[in-house]
Amino acid sequence: NAGVTQTPKFQVLKTGQSMTLQCAQDMNHEYMSWYRQDPGMGLRLIHYSVGAGITDQGEVPNGYNVSRSTTEDFPLRLLSAAPSQTSVYFCASSTLSSLETQYFGPGTRLLVL
Amino acid sequence: KQEVTQIPAALSVPEGENLVLNCSFTDSAIYNLQWFRQDPGKGLTSLLLIQSSQREQTSGRLNASLDKSSGRSTLYIAASQPGDSATYLCAVRRNAGNMLTFGGGTRLMVKP
Repeated sequence: NAGVTQTPKFQVLKTGQSMTLQCAQDMNHEYMSWYRQDPGMGLRLIHYSVGAGITDQGEVPNGYNVSRSTTEDFPLRLLSAAPSQTSVYFCASSTLSSLETQYFGPGTRLLVL
Repeated sequence: KQEVTQIPAALSVPEGENLVLNCSFTDSAIYNLQWFRQDPGKGLTSLLLIQSSQREQTSGRLNASLDKSSGRSTLYIAASQPGDSATYLCAVRRNAGNMLTFGGGTRLMVKP
């Protein structure tokens, strides 16, 4: 049982480049979400999903796309990276019946130049 | 809009001290409040969850209190140890859904 895994751990992008941050969980959790964490600030919700085929926006969705084709995977796409998207990105998952018990991945540190 | 503030932003204490971390929130209409621990380069681990109807929760050396009317929560750590060194985040949930509003965290260092 690997829990929540994220790849890559670290990435450097140039402004305008696109990339996909990967997130996978092997706990059969319905709920998955993406957060970003900036220095001195708490985590902010970007997008979330309550099951395969269902996604919704969080607090700061602009500039990011998501899809949920399987229960296990929830990739986050940056279509045209901007320096303001330099951050640490965390993926989390939980069951719908216990949203308070979220399992977090180790994070992806993204630097956009 | 809910805002969550944590003071101090950083704290350094000698081993063995009892300490208090503070969390304040602007909108008292919360569903519950959660305290997390974050180790460098790692994700978050939930420490304590307090429902809006509760006043405190305890787990080992940790005790979290909630005063919803004044918009405050405290995390009390007894007999601190170097292994307690981490960033502590509080977050409030507005309803039974998923939306958490996080504070900026308190970075704690416990020196041997």
